[in-house]
Amino acid sequence: SQQGEEDPQALSIQEGENATMNCSYKTSINNLQWYRQNSGRGLVHLILIRSNEREKHSGRLRVTLDTSKKSSSLLITASRAADTASYFCATFGGNQFYFGTGTSLTVIP
Amino acid sequence: EPEVTQTPSHQVTQMGQEVILRCVPISNHLYFYWYRQILGQKVEFLVSFYNNEISEKSEIFDDQFSVERPDGSNFTLKIRSTKLEDSAMYFCASSSQSYNEQFFGPGTRLTVL
Repeated sequence: SQQGEEDPQALSIQEGENATMNCSYKTSINNLQWYRQNSGRGLVHLILIRSNEREKHSGRLRVTLDTSKKSSSLLITASRAADTASYFCATFGGNQFYFGTGTSLTVIP
Repeated sequence: EPEVTQTPSHQVTQMGQEVILRCVPISNHLYFYWYRQILGQKVEFLVSFYNNEISEKSEIFDDQFSVERPDGSNFTLKIRSTKLEDSAMYFCASSSQSYNEQFFGPGTRLTVL
């Protein structure tokens, strides 16, 4: 399967620190997306990076993609308590869309 | 800001009963999706829908599931004969382009007793 796997499963940091989450996947993709999910709520799209892109920025978010290693990372800089949530990578390839297992981020005020 | 809405927010049903979960996607979106998330687990793709037909479906989406866009605004997921293991959060999503940024609804929590 094309299942994404996030690493770490859980991350706890102090407010103001940076948070880095990694995602690995198994097969070729068209794009990779990151989503955030607050507890018990729907998912919110954060950023999309296409297979021919290597890095993308959006506000405090920085995403990298290494298609040779089939991996991506999400960096949240200057974290805030409101960033506390689960973060999922999602890959689209072969007309299928797969979410990873997620990283649970806790930002301590 | 436009948003995807879902009703009901929580549905409780008896095993073997049929349920219909409803979604109103963002009005100018053309692609629609259903996902499922069993408590504590990852989000799983069920089906995508475009131009009034299913584009893709996962192995989870078997004969007990069906989707329909009965009018210009609603997008429904029907589970014909619910099983205990169908208990999950069901999310609807829509996008303007295929598998680009998807906008998710708040979900329907389905509990099968």
